[in-house]
Amino acid sequence: EVQLVETGGGLIQPGGSLRLSCAASGFTVSQSYMSWVRQAPGKGLECISFISGDGRTFYADSVKGRFTISRDDSKSTKSTLFLQMNSLRAEDTAIYYCAADTGDSKIRCWGQGTLVTVSS
Amino acid sequence: DTVVTQSPLSLPVTLGQPASISCRSSQSLVYSDGNTYLNWFQQRPGQSPRRLIYQVSNRDSGVPDRFSGSGSGTDFTLKISRVEAEDVGLYYCMQALNWPWTFGQGTRVEIK
Repeated sequence: EVQLVETGGGLIQPGGSLRLSCAASGFTVSQSYMSWVRQAPGKGLECISFISGDGRTFYADSVKGRFTISRDDSKSTKSTLFLQMNSLRAEDTAIYYCAADTGDSKIRCWGQGTLVTVSS
Repeated sequence: DTVVTQSPLSLPVTLGQPASISCRSSQSLVYSDGNTYLNWFQQRPGQSPRRLIYQVSNRDSGVPDRFSGSGSGTDFTLKISRVEAEDVGLYYCMQALNWPWTFGQGTRVEIK
């Protein structure tokens, strides 16, 4: 069974840094699309970054240069997706979801989300 | 960016009646492999999104067959043949062809 569990959210001051983690199991991460999607309070969904099976990384303009996606799939049974978030702004306040797809449609399964609040 | 536009944004429906949501993309979503990369997601109140349909018309495992997707090129539709109480929530279409992948604004389905 595919499982995605995000951790690392919290309250952070503007300009601060935070690192989100997503523990993935039940599928082969190195053969999947792994993404971060965020949802600001009461708003819609925004894809901000993904890493392909072959390790290529992509970012939305809204986070480029501030956020870094990476993964650790050194363990055969469990892999972890990361999102390093620097220079955080109030507009980065959102629920951050980890998402994955072993197929070509990019997003299938979602984690439960972790809330990031950027406020002084 | 590829703009995805949904309509309506609010959809009050009587239980047991059909519902239809439209999704239009600013660019064709047909890839060179012949597939069309348009997904539909459901987000129930307080929950994470859940994919219902991928590549226009393929239902995901466990999705009731009252949900169906259709369309081609830039115009797509999600239909619920008979709305049930558990179908209340937000529905999003998403284009998965061009980065950044983009979602429609969401359509809120509610019971009249």
